[in-house]
Amino acid sequence: GAVVSQHPSWVICKSGTSVKIECRSLDFQATTMFWYRQFPKQSLMLMATSNEGSKATYEQGVEKDKFLINHASLTLSTLTVTSAHPEDSSFYICSASLGDSNQPQHFGDGTRLSIL
Amino acid sequence: QKEVEQNSGPLSVPEGAIASLNCTYSDRGSQSFFWYRQYSGKSPELIMSIYSNGDKEDGRFTAQLNKASQYVSLLIRDSQPSDSATYLCAVNGRGNAGKSTFGDGTTLTVKP
Repeated sequence: GAVVSQHPSWVICKSGTSVKIECRSLDFQATTMFWYRQFPKQSLMLMATSNEGSKATYEQGVEKDKFLINHASLTLSTLTVTSAHPEDSSFYICSASLGDSNQPQHFGDGTRLSIL
Repeated sequence: QKEVEQNSGPLSVPEGAIASLNCTYSDRGSQSFFWYRQYSGKSPELIMSIYSNGDKEDGRFTAQLNKASQYVSLLIRDSQPSDSATYLCAVNGRGNAGKSTFGDGTTLTVKP
């Protein structure tokens, strides 16, 4: 159980393009979803916390107008990287939780984004 | 001081040895503790959860928790080359709606 599907797994696009990444919890209702970014050989960096039906909470230093998060249902959250530039190239990972503080996070497989 | 600190790596052990990974946390109110394994180029996967003081065993993995010392560890017995990965310690505070604070990870290499 607790399967999280993330799509696409790999994106290569031109600078200035907007890219949407989907995160779905397949067999449970995810009250809370999280979006992370990870650069090579670096730690996971939490970008934002997404709760169904409400605005996402962004971590300090993360531009909310650049990284648009929508959590329209208990099984789907999306991250849109708007007007992406080469410095946005990274590994983006979503995770989902039942929202209880005793629950672990269940991670998607990640999306490798390369901006040319 | 970081909220969750892991012993700096990399850690290298021979095949068949015990690998010991350590983690300390600063929030005394923390109540849930997790270990994730992350292979290079992949996303993290949950391998152990522990909630109360003491040991919890699952196959070759043993998680140990000492809330008084604010310390949690992961032991891997009979280490295999396939255990080579980065291990992330994660801590959930009370009422944080599942939001975890992650350590920076310890990279383990098991040499054949």
